[in-house]
Amino acid sequence: DVKVTQSSRYLVKRTGEKVFLECVQDMDHENMFWYRQDPGLGLRLIYFSYDVKMKEKGDIPEGYSVSREKKERFSLILESASTNQTSMYLCASLRLSTDTQYFGPGTRLTVL
Amino acid sequence: TQLLEQSPQFLSIQEGENLTVYCNSSSVFSSLQWYRQEPGEGPVLLVTVVTGGEVKKLKRLTFQFGDARKDSSLHITAAQPGDTGLYLCAGARIFGQGTELSVKP
Repeated sequence: DVKVTQSSRYLVKRTGEKVFLECVQDMDHENMFWYRQDPGLGLRLIYFSYDVKMKEKGDIPEGYSVSREKKERFSLILESASTNQTSMYLCASLRLSTDTQYFGPGTRLTVL
Repeated sequence: TQLLEQSPQFLSIQEGENLTVYCNSSSVFSSLQWYRQEPGEGPVLLVTVVTGGEVKKLKRLTFQFGDARKDSSLHITAAQPGDTGLYLCAGARIFGQGTELSVKP
């Protein structure tokens, strides 16, 4: 089974803080994704990466950056957290052969 | 632009009832996935369908991929409170808006 883990289940940060969310997958997948999920808005893609050190902006990249230094690890960075970044953050890893994404358990981030 | 439309958006039923959730598009997909998500958790993959007309069963859940590979359905027989959650369909890295299912005892 594919396993995707996220560094924290719950985080509370203050406005202006730098926030790191980490995601690790154990299936040697090349493609990884970061989404945020908000009520009524569904899943929105922030960034994705198709290889080490490669990244592409998704639909809502503003206020976020990412890092992929190793194949198994994909980090989402909030340079200066704001209250409108309070959300559920979901990481996913893609099995290319079936175009199927596997999700981590999510991080519920609250920015005060 | 590819879109996936799910219906209904919300469904509240009694334990023991049957239900069907639909996922429709005007585009052809090489595969479609169904996920269930519980509050505060990440989506969990239930099934991937890849062949037009394919039917897959997972206990009381039956998934069907349309012959033209533009739509899919999820049928739950004798729903139980443990089936409560958000059901998402996905294809080509696009997600439907989800169906929120509530099964009352």
